Amino acid sequence: SYILTQPPSVSVAPGQTAKISCGGNNIGRNSVHWYQQKPGQAPVLVVYDDSDRPSGIPERFSGSNSGNTATLTISRVEAGDEADYYCQVWDNNSDHWVFGGGTKLTVL
Amino acid sequence: QVQLVESGGGVVQPGKSLRLSCAASGFTFSSYGFHWVRQAPGKGLEWVAVLWSEGNNKYYVDSVRGRFTISRDNSKNTLFLQMNSLRVEDTAMYYCVREAGGADNYFDSWGQGTLVTVSS
Repeated sequence: SYILTQPPSVSVAPGQTAKISCGGNNIGRNSVHWYQQKPGQAPVLVVYDDSDRPSGIPERFSGSNSGNTATLTISRVEAGDEADYYCQVWDNNSDHWVFGGGTKLTVL
Repeated sequence: QVQLVESGGGVVQPGKSLRLSCAASGFTFSSYGFHWVRQAPGKGLEWVAVLWSEGNNKYYVDSVRGRFTISRDNSKNTLFLQMNSLRVEDTAMYYCVREAGGADNYFDSWGQGTLVTVSS
């Protein structure tokens, strides 16, 4: 089955830029989606189709996808961005939905 | 507004069964595909099953295939997950999730989850 690889943790100071990677074989051929999950809460979609934002998600959240790596970029990081972030794709070879292992973003 | 409310979780012994429900409101339930996604304590998200809006297409993660059954009642705007032969490793928060419409394959709405604990 398709595997997505994320770094377990990323740390960034407030006001700086955080980049969270999601690696997969030729992931650039898939549409990648990103979710934010804060402690005790359900996940929330923050980026879909590589780089689109749902309504209500700040422009500080952006995404890119090429080759074997997709990236979620959070600009001007705030304390409230501290959360777990998951990438997700649909594996059309197996009709399975796949999540990355998640990345814990810590705001220093 | 879109609302998904799960129920039916609890503590159950290994080998027993449990049926989860997800009541939907605020949109046309029959027009969407739905999934169950679970999260073991302190772990990441794991997709479990999908039931599309059209036809009766269902898919399952390998670890639950043959034990879990996803179904829906469009007249009651409700999604179900019948879980049989439960194992300790099925312990998790189970989320009811709506798939965005059209050809998209992402999840645009999540319930708050219902906790299933399998323990002797």
